[in-house]
Amino acid sequence: SQKIEQNSEALNIQEGKTATLTCNYTNYSPAYLQWYRQDPGRGPVFLLLIRENEKEKRKERLKVTFDTTLKQSLFHITASQPADSATYLCALVQPTRQLTFGSGTQLTVLP
Amino acid sequence: EPEVTQTPSHQVTQMGQEVILRCVPISNHLYFYWYRQILGQKVEFLVSFYNNEISEKSEIFDDQFSVERPDGSNFTLKIRSTKLEDSAMYFCASNGQGADTQYFGPGTRLTVL
Repeated sequence: SQKIEQNSEALNIQEGKTATLTCNYTNYSPAYLQWYRQDPGRGPVFLLLIRENEKEKRKERLKVTFDTTLKQSLFHITASQPADSATYLCALVQPTRQLTFGSGTQLTVLP
Repeated sequence: EPEVTQTPSHQVTQMGQEVILRCVPISNHLYFYWYRQILGQKVEFLVSFYNNEISEKSEIFDDQFSVERPDGSNFTLKIRSTKLEDSAMYFCASNGQGADTQYFGPGTRLTVL
């Protein structure tokens, strides 16, 4: 089955800067990738979905890109704030509908 | 805004005991899932459920696990004889017909002693 990897376990950035998180997958390109936010002890909260025929998707300060040649998705948070501190998960949808999650990147935005 | 709810938020049990974790998916959703997350590890798929039957299950979902939708609103996960390694957060999720996004509940923390 498909595998998915998030390269950075942790990322610290200064408030106001842009955070960029990376997600790589193996084998065939999934129909779409999703990004979730998870706070400690809580369930994943859906943020953005991007389809394989879309290069980029935006929602407020969030931007996701999808490069099927590199087999990679990038997740950007612009003008980051301490409240953005959380673990961000990428997930791909298997043909049988279940999600396969990456291990997550713990983002800390320093004031 | 509709949300997935789960009860209890924390369950402590002795090894070998049966537990039932409960979920109320979003009301017009048709696909239901259970995932688990062992502390410090990835969120892992357990089982999916559609049209009153299991549609997919992972290797983790062995004979000790079962799922049920006993009425029009609840979706349950039963672990028949808990082991220490079953200690984890268990998340329920749901999505609607033709919808791609899965909505997750807040989770049940299961501690097996």
